[in-house]
Amino acid sequence: AQSVTQPDIHITVSEGASLELRCNYSYGATPYLFWYVQSPGQGLQLLLKYFSGDTLVQGIKGFEAEFKRSQSSFNLRKPSVHWSDAAEYFCAVVRGGGGNKLTFGTGTQLKVEL
Amino acid sequence: DGGITQSPKYLFRKEGQNVTLSCEQNLNHDAMYWYRQDPGQGLRLIYYSQIVNDFQKGDIAEGYSVSREKKESFPLTVTSAQKNPTAFYLCASSIAGTGGIYGYTFGSGTRLTVV
Repeated sequence: AQSVTQPDIHITVSEGASLELRCNYSYGATPYLFWYVQSPGQGLQLLLKYFSGDTLVQGIKGFEAEFKRSQSSFNLRKPSVHWSDAAEYFCAVVRGGGGNKLTFGTGTQLKVEL
Repeated sequence: DGGITQSPKYLFRKEGQNVTLSCEQNLNHDAMYWYRQDPGQGLRLIYYSQIVNDFQKGDIAEGYSVSREKKESFPLTVTSAQKNPTAFYLCASSIAGTGGIYGYTFGSGTRLTVV
């Protein structure tokens, strides 16, 4: 079954530093992959998505992600983190069986130090 | 603006009671979903619906029930059979029949606490 793994539960970075959040997927064919962000007590907001074409995708809020088939990865990056980026980040993949169902990773909590 | 509205934002339930969480969307999406979120476990699929009057069980449907009488509405009932209902519940919608390439739009969630 399709799955995603986010190996980092918590990450702390200083404001202005670069950020990379890791996501590894398990899927036989080309996956549809997503990154979502969640502020405390809120729903999830779509940051970016990949389903074909250019392996480097740009999203909102200055985020980007790179799809690497050879490494089964879809890591999220940002060149310079702002304090407002502190949130929880989820990687997700469309899984088979119809219904547009998404499988989510367990999330990475980002803390930004001023 | 189009979106998904979940109500209430906070809900308290006594043991043995059924409670219903509301989810309404005005995005004209055919597909709707309910997820449960627990700390450190990500989001787990409870039920989903691709069309009015039809819905399917997700991964953790036991103790929950849904209905889909209108395209705009997909209420979730947490029954007394759900042994550990305290969690954050998220409703989402998407365009059906697209293979999932557009992802989901989420509501802002309902936090359910058993007291």
